[in-house]
Amino acid sequence: QKEVEQNSGPLSVPEGAIASLNCTYSDRGSQSFFWYRQYSGKSPELIMFIYSNGDKEDGRFTAQLNKASQYVSLLIRDSQPSDSATYLCAVNNSSSNTGKLIFGQGTTLQVKP
Amino acid sequence: EAEVAQSPRYKITEKSQAVAFWCDPISGHATLYWYRQILGQGPELLVQFQDESVVDDSQLPKDRFSAERLKGVDSTLKIQPAELGDSAMYLCASSLIVQPSTDTQYFGPGTRLTVL
Repeated sequence: QKEVEQNSGPLSVPEGAIASLNCTYSDRGSQSFFWYRQYSGKSPELIMFIYSNGDKEDGRFTAQLNKASQYVSLLIRDSQPSDSATYLCAVNNSSSNTGKLIFGQGTTLQVKP
Repeated sequence: EAEVAQSPRYKITEKSQAVAFWCDPISGHATLYWYRQILGQGPELLVQFQDESVVDDSQLPKDRFSAERLKGVDSTLKIQPAELGDSAMYLCASSLIVQPSTDTQYFGPGTRLTVL
């Protein structure tokens, strides 16, 4: 079992729709969860982080965390073609206590005009 | 806005040659990370520095890879000799490390390595 799992996709949504990206993790001690966006050929760019159970909203983005289910998601409202990218979920490694992150393989999102 | 700097952006080399990558973290960031990202996969940590000290190099192939951060600021990652399987994006990231469990990492633009 991978430590951080994401569906590789592609996830295809029409412009204006809500895109839902999901991530599960195995480390029950993890305390911080990050979503990065990565355009093709570029480096990861931080979108959001979440530490507490529940929802955290930032503009069109909402991160949702459920530690009991070991599940974190990212919702993108009013999806735009410019949102087309790979979205990486990252989870801190609790056993190292060094800030080490474990990344999923990423989900590719395609927003069609 | 402060950014992580990396050079070169692209590197093409032949197998068995030596290559080196440079990273300058965001000013004031004590922690520096080198990642390798193979196409279609997420970044994998190679080595982590806290100031000038290595705190995690468990995934660094030490027979051919080396990394240093002599003055606790910029860092160099070296591969010698390069192998075909080393073709990947090499990413540098930095963080402030106020508290490890909630620290946020910021990435540089990366170096795309192609080994022929």
